[in-house]
Parts: sequence; structure tokens; C-alpha cells
Amino acid sequence: DIQMTQSPSVLSASVGDRVTLNCKASQNINKYLNWYQQKLGEAPKLLIYNTNNLQTGIPSRFSGSGSGTDYTLTISSLQPEDVATYFCFHHNNWPLTFGSGTKLEIK
Amino acid sequence: EVQLVESGGGLVQPGRSMKLSCTASGFTFNNHDMAWVCQAPKKGLEWVATISYDGSDTYYRDSVKGRFTISRDNAKNTLYLQMDSLRSEDTATYYCTRALWFDYWGQGVMVTVSS
Repeated sequence: DIQMTQSPSVLSASVGDRVTLNCKASQNINKYLNWYQQKLGEAPKLLIYNTNNLQTGIPSRFSGSGSGTDYTLTISSLQPEDVATYFCFHHNNWPLTFGSGTKLEIK
Repeated sequence: EVQLVESGGGLVQPGRSMKLSCTASGFTFNNHDMAWVCQAPKKGLEWVATISYDGSDTYYRDSVKGRFTISRDNAKNTLYLQMDSLRSEDTATYYCTRALWFDYWGQGVMVTVSS
């Protein structure tokens, strides 16, 4: 099974900061990597699919990049409403797996 | 507007069964694979199972193989998860989601396995 490791587990940043969240797969996942945002008490929301494709309706301050085993979600200018936990997810092969999440807080 | 609405959760004793349903609207249900994802209290997300658009193929995480069955009724736009031999570690919120990319999610339904 492919293991997805996210770092850091908790990130505290200021409004307006550029923020980078990392996700590392235990093997090549061929860019089949999605990012989800989950706010407290809500269902997850798809932000980015297949590494760098912005889901419809998601603000352009969110972007994704990566290849092979290493992937990144970047928020170009952190907003208060971005407080949430962010999960990466691979759909390269079975079983599908999520990372353990990065909790993003505002300083 | 795409909507996924889960139902059927609640409290169940270990070893017993429970069936979850997810009613879909706002898209052509029989064109899409569908999946269940769970989240234990204060934990991360775990993929549970996926079913192909026509129900011909199913995939499961190892911990639920032989105990859970994913199915669908395309005439009713409904996805199901039959959960048998439930264990305390199955306690979680279960989300229905549209595959391949899990782009739409239901609100989730809580399943508590406890005596």
C-alpha cells in the first residue's frame, strides 16, 4: 500500500503569508494526487485534482505542484477563512489512501 | 446542483449489521463511479470502498473486505454500504462521495459501534 506523509502536521501562519503544505508518497503516484480542505464540522472539499488542476469555484490563491513522490499545496496569500485541515490523497492504484492531514492555523 | 444525502447511521452493537444509503441528485448518477470514505472521531480520512458506474466492479480497503458490501441502484440514484460484523474500530462518520476525484461529498452520517 502507498503511504502518504504530510508535513508539517500543524502550521501556524499570519494573514497574507505564503503557505506551503507538503505531501510525500511512499512510491511514485504519477501525479494522481488531490488536495482537500476540511473545516471543522464539515465534509471535505476538493481543492486541487491531479496535482495542479484547480477545482471549479476554488480561489486562485490555491495551487498545487509536484511529481513522482513529492507534492505541494501552496496558498499564495493566507486568508482567515483558510483555517482548516488539509488532506492529500492519491488515486494511482488500489488501495486509495489519504495523508494524515495538516492543520492550518492563523497566528 | 449536485447533492449527496446519506442516511441510515446510528448506534449498533458489535457484531451486528447496518446499511447506509446515499441518495444522489443534480448529476447523471449512472455515469459516475461512487465511493464511501470514513473518518473516525478526531481522526483522518480513510477510503472504504468504490463501485464502478454500472456496479460491475467493486474495490475495498483490506480492513473491510468480506464484511462490507458496496452496491448501487441506478434506477433510484442511490448508493449503499452494507456493513456486517461491525467492530468498535468501524465507529466513524461515513461520507458518500462521487468518484473518480471525490469532487462532491455528502454531509456524512455517524455510525457508532458500541455495546
